[in-house]
Amino acid sequence: AQKVTQAQTEISVVEKEDVTLDCVYETRDTTYYLFWYKQPPSGELVFLIRRNSFDEQNEISGRYSWNFQKSTSSFNFTITASQVVDSAVYFCALSSEKAGANNLFFGTGTRLTVIP
Amino acid sequence: AAGVIQSPRHLIKEKRETATLKCYPIPRHDTVYWYQQGPGQDPQFLISFYEKMQSDKGSIPDRFSAQQFSDYHSELNMSSLELGDSALYFCASSRVGQVQYGYTFGSGTRLTVV
Repeated sequence: AQKVTQAQTEISVVEKEDVTLDCVYETRDTTYYLFWYKQPPSGELVFLIRRNSFDEQNEISGRYSWNFQKSTSSFNFTITASQVVDSAVYFCALSSEKAGANNLFFGTGTRLTVIP
Repeated sequence: AAGVIQSPRHLIKEKRETATLKCYPIPRHDTVYWYQQGPGQDPQFLISFYEKMQSDKGSIPDRFSAQQFSDYHSELNMSSLELGDSALYFCASSRVGQVQYGYTFGSGTRLTVV
C-alpha cells in the first residue's frame, strides 16, 4: 500500500527565514516516484519536482532544494530565504509504475504562511 | 505549451441535480485521472482511464461515473448531488510508461452544491 505522511499541518515563518517541509512515504514497490506540488490560494496544483526511486541525488532549484533519503523514506523540501509568495499549501505525493494503477497518492499537505 | 483544460471552472448546482465536468488532456497523453479535493483536504483519487478504458478506481461514489472518449477527453458525470460533493475537482493527464515525467493537472473545477 502507498502512503504519504506530512506531519506538519501548518508552519509559519517570517520572511527571509529558511523552512523545511517534511515528507515520509511508504511503499512496497521498488520503482516509485516522488513529487512535490504547490497549491496557492488560487487553487491550482503547481508541479515543483519529481524524483524516481533510483536517483537519490539531492536537487537545488533557486531557493528550493530537496533531500531524498531512501534509508529513512523521506523526501524533504527546503525553501531558503522564504518570501510571501511562497505562502501556499504544499503536497508531497507518491506514485509507482504499476500497470493500470499508477495514480498519485497525496499527503495531507502542509500549509506554509510566510509573514512579511 | 498546451496544458490540461478543464471546464467549467466554476459550477453551482442544487441538491439532487446532475453535473458534468470535462477534461481535455495534453495532446498525446493517453491517461486521464480524476481527483476530488474537499475543503482543507488533500486530493483524493477517484478514477483513471487509459486508452478509453477504466484503468483504476479509487473512492468514487456510485452516483458518479466517468468515461474517456475517442479524442481522449474525459467527462465526470455526477448525479443526485449532495452538499458533501462540494469540492475542487482536478483532472490530470500523463502518458503511459512515462509516469517518471509526472502528471500535469488542470486548474480544477470548483463545484458548489447548494
